[in-house]
Amino acid sequence: QQQVKQSPQSLIVQKGGISIINCAYENTAFDYFPWYQQFPGKGPALLIAIRPDVSEKKEGRFTISFNKSAKQFSLHIMDSQPGDSATYFCAASGSARQLTFGSGTQLTVLP
Amino acid sequence: DVKVTQSSRYLVKRTGEKVFLECVQDMDHENMFWYRQDPGLGLRLIYFSYDVKMKEKGDIPEGYSVSREKKERFSLILESASTNQTSMYLCASSFALTYGYTFGSGTRLTVV
Repeated sequence: QQQVKQSPQSLIVQKGGISIINCAYENTAFDYFPWYQQFPGKGPALLIAIRPDVSEKKEGRFTISFNKSAKQFSLHIMDSQPGDSATYFCAASGSARQLTFGSGTQLTVLP
Repeated sequence: DVKVTQSSRYLVKRTGEKVFLECVQDMDHENMFWYRQDPGLGLRLIYFSYDVKMKEKGDIPEGYSVSREKKERFSLILESASTNQTSMYLCASSFALTYGYTFGSGTRLTVV
């Protein structure tokens, strides 16, 4: 049973544009929602994370938007750059359970 | 920074071989994890360990086993490798079960 659904599978954005990746979850006990960034040949690295007591968290050009009632959260990358080209994974955890990951989005930012 | 080191970047093994993937972390983390990564399927948890000699099955444990004899080392064992175990294997460690995961760079295993 896939508990975290991620879309789109791939995304192509022009330099300077906004990249948006969406995730939906099923388990209402989840209370931690991180995003990981993975470059080719590397393991995933934590990018930004949010807890459900806030609706938005911003770190530089990266913003997480969280909608608790809809059980959805999304990553927005403002002013996307070619160096942002990577695979992005959303994840969720809670109730003393380990992280469950989405299926990943391969982002390509064209120069 | 926490460093998670996986012993091999690439491995090629034959069907039926017993395969050992090794992972070492250097920050005294209690929790260690093994994931496999396949295109379109994301990261799927194979096994995890929350203490020395303790292990828990993840979502896809079939065909795998693990060993954690020391806190810093977590090994993934493929008892009899099969072609459907060709994948990228990622090790991670964390101070808490629910967050703070640090991943290694992965081992790309090909079973022929």
